[in-house]
Parts: sequence; structure tokens; C-alpha cells
Amino acid sequence: DTGVSQDPRHKITKRGQNVTFRCDPISEHNRLYWYRQTLGQGPEFLTYFQNEAQLEKSRLLSDRFSAERPKGSFSTLEIQRTEQGDSAMYLCASSATATSWDRGQRNTIYFGEGSWLTVV
Amino acid sequence: AQSVTQPDIHITVSEGASLELRCNYSYGATPYLFWYVQSPGQGLQLLLKYFSGDTLVQGIKGFEAEFKRSQSSFNLRKPSVHWSDAAEYFCAGGLTGTASKLTFGTGTRLQVTL
Repeated sequence: DTGVSQDPRHKITKRGQNVTFRCDPISEHNRLYWYRQTLGQGPEFLTYFQNEAQLEKSRLLSDRFSAERPKGSFSTLEIQRTEQGDSAMYLCASSATATSWDRGQRNTIYFGEGSWLTVV
Repeated sequence: AQSVTQPDIHITVSEGASLELRCNYSYGATPYLFWYVQSPGQGLQLLLKYFSGDTLVQGIKGFEAEFKRSQSSFNLRKPSVHWSDAAEYFCAGGLTGTASKLTFGTGTRLQVTL
């Protein structure tokens, strides 16, 4: 499978614990995005990377959230001291901007299956 | 502010009937526009996209969408709905030239009756 891969798919944690999600983008996609989706809502942008650089962060990304993409390939999203309000699905997505890509595929954003977080 | 609006929260159609899901956008310039579909508990699958050019865009699973600048709309259509099309549909927009992030509508839940 060459799509966006996320792990774990489901996580139940106690309030106050730390959790980490991993995302493996489509091979050679240089952009990687994190979104959050709560029940009944559309996904909301959290942050994105171009290669290793984190270029934009949403105001939704509080100090308890940190995302990394150390080698420009996979990314992790860590939530420290989880709160019940953090319960949501965390979606990872990726895209390619390189001109070497088919023009029709450039800037097309593909999503993974998501990681469900339940904080109890 | 950039926004995407899906006016219909829930739509029910009979199998075999035609479908149109509405999407309106508000951007300072022509945005990239996408339609995604989401089954319960799953991620988002891309149905189709509009970047520029031909305003009628064909996608997967028999879906199409038409970009209408004058109406700031990007409605999704399908001539004959199948029971397996029941899902949540999201319209999303991104800034032309960057597509650095997408703004999503709140979604339309499609129910298909047999």
C-alpha cells in the first residue's frame, strides 16, 4: 500500500497522559499535514511541514501539542498532558509540490485513515 | 476570511436517483477546490479536484463537480446513486498557488434508501 499510513489507529488514554501518533506520507511527497476532526465537524488544519521545516501552525495547536518531521519523511504528533477536549480523530495528509511530478498530481492532498484518540 | 460552506447537513435520496451536494466558497482569489468522501470511522478519500481550466471536473465513482465562479459554488453531482455511496461528503478549498492548507465545510451526510 503506497497511501498515507497512520499509527496507531485507535488510542484510549487517561487524562494527563502523553500520547504520540505517527504518520508515514506517500513516498516522495514533500509536504505533510496534520488535521483534527471532532464528531460532526469537518477536519481542521493543525500544522504542515515542507520537508523537515514546520511552516505553519494553527492557533488550535496549543503548547501541549508538538509535531516533528526530523528527516523529512515520517512525522510524529505528540500531545502532552491530554485533556478530554483532545478526544478527536487526528488525520495526516501529504502532497507533492515538485515540478517533477505530473502537473495533475501536484498539490493534490491525500489523507490517511486517521488516528482516533479517546481521553477518559 | 476564507470559508467553505455546505448548506445541507443531511440529504436522503433513493437508490438510482440523481444527487447534487452543494458547496459554496468565499476566497479572495480562485481557490483550489476538492471533494472528499468519508465512511464512518475512516479517513478521507479524494473524489475530485479543481485547480483551473475546464470547469466541469470528473472524479472517481461516477462523480462530477462544476465550478461556477459567478455563484462561488462547486457542487458535486452524480446521475444515479448507489447504496454504497452513503457516507459523509466534505468540500474543501485551498489557496491557489500554495494549497498549503485546506479549509473544510462541515460536511453533508448522504443517506441512500433502497
